[in-house]
Amino acid sequence: QVQLVQSGAEVKKPGASVKVSCKASGYTFSNFDINWVRQATGQGLEWMGWMNPNSGNTGYVQKFQGRVTMTRNTSISTAYMELSSLRSDDTAVYYCALRVGTYYYFAYWGQGTLVTVSS
Amino acid sequence: DIQMTQSPSTLSASVGDRVTITCRASQSVSSWLAWYQQKPGKAPKLLMYKASSLEGGVPSRFSGSGSGTEFTLTISSLQPDDFATYYCQEYNSYPWTFGQGTKVEIK
Repeated sequence: QVQLVQSGAEVKKPGASVKVSCKASGYTFSNFDINWVRQATGQGLEWMGWMNPNSGNTGYVQKFQGRVTMTRNTSISTAYMELSSLRSDDTAVYYCALRVGTYYYFAYWGQGTLVTVSS
Repeated sequence: DIQMTQSPSTLSASVGDRVTITCRASQSVSSWLAWYQQKPGKAPKLLMYKASSLEGGVPSRFSGSGSGTEFTLTISSLQPDDFATYYCQEYNSYPWTFGQGTKVEIK
């Protein structure tokens, strides 16, 4: 069965960077786009962007342009999301999510990674 | 960006009640709308896509309707496992956006 397993919680200082991993299993990694969605505590869901594991092509929401980088290592079926110049309002749970069809809804999700930004 | 507005923000209901959640888009999203259920500390779970298509394994008490700018998610008979927060998401126009959520709590 499809599984997305994310790396553990992180605590970072303002201005630092964080890199969250998402290891995929149960399907052919290169077949489906990996997306990243974040959720601040008690808040709603915010889509950040996508990555095609086959080509490495990416697309980022304008809000995160210049601060987010989505990459992958196909040999270990793992996607990464790196967010730089962290601010306190980047404190959130970050999810990877899989688009399995033509359309951008998300049938599979990782368990989430809490990133806390605090001095 | 398209703004998705859900109502109500919180809904108090009892087991067995019929529950309806509304999601309105700031411009037409055709039928490109998904619904998710999220429980505390868990990832969202896909319930519906294309406004009214039930994801595999989701109980038939869940149904969706609507097109254009107004959509509803209905739970025909609320069960204990259904107390959760529900989100709509449009995927008609980039960047994809979510509603702010509707929390269904026990009355």
